Amino acid sequence: SQQGEEDPQALSIQEGENATMNCSYKTSINNLQWYRQNSGRGLVHLILIRSNEREKHSGRLRVTLDTSKKSSSLLITASRAADTASYFCAGLIQGAQKLVFGQGTRLTINP
Amino acid sequence: GAGVSQSPRYKVAKRGQDVALRCDPISGHVSLFWYQQALGQGPEFLTYFQNEAQLDKSGLPSDRFFAERPEGSVSTLKIQRTQQEDSAVYLCASSSLRGPPYEQYFGPGTRLTVT
Repeated sequence: SQQGEEDPQALSIQEGENATMNCSYKTSINNLQWYRQNSGRGLVHLILIRSNEREKHSGRLRVTLDTSKKSSSLLITASRAADTASYFCAGLIQGAQKLVFGQGTRLTINP
Repeated sequence: GAGVSQSPRYKVAKRGQDVALRCDPISGHVSLFWYQQALGQGPEFLTYFQNEAQLDKSGLPSDRFFAERPEGSVSTLKIQRTQQEDSAVYLCASSSLRGPPYEQYFGPGTRLTVT
């Protein structure tokens, strides 16, 4: 069963607006990763934040991590229609190699 | 290769049939993972190989599921006596220990439909 939860489950915004997605997890992790999935391309790695980092930026993406609250957020700025996809957080479990995914947020960018 | 490839992309099986799903990881990647993704859900871990050794199979849902990677490259996930609840997308991922820490590269998946 999933050990991550994402909020909201679905998000619809206008092109150009910012989109924020949140993720909570239950177990201790080495790092937390965000992936994007759309119907044509499968899962694509977006950004990784290590457990000793609090914030990371990559282009229009900003990720935060709060290990005390076991939560992370992904901010996409200046959204584009091409950002329409499902977004998943995934924690790399300490002592193991496996990723534990959240249920995902379905993001729709309206033109 | 350029990326992780999986075959077939789509598979329809009648209940009770055996299926075999193939994964070709990125060349040189020592780690290989299988995940199962039900409709509308996130992927769930099935099993993990480092080279030819299966180091974690804690996610395999039953003894009908079997995975192998005999030469440390291509992997096959086999499902015996398929059931309707096995219908899902099966994703394969590979990772290089020399790359970013445990970033996994995913294939396009095999969509299995059991009728």
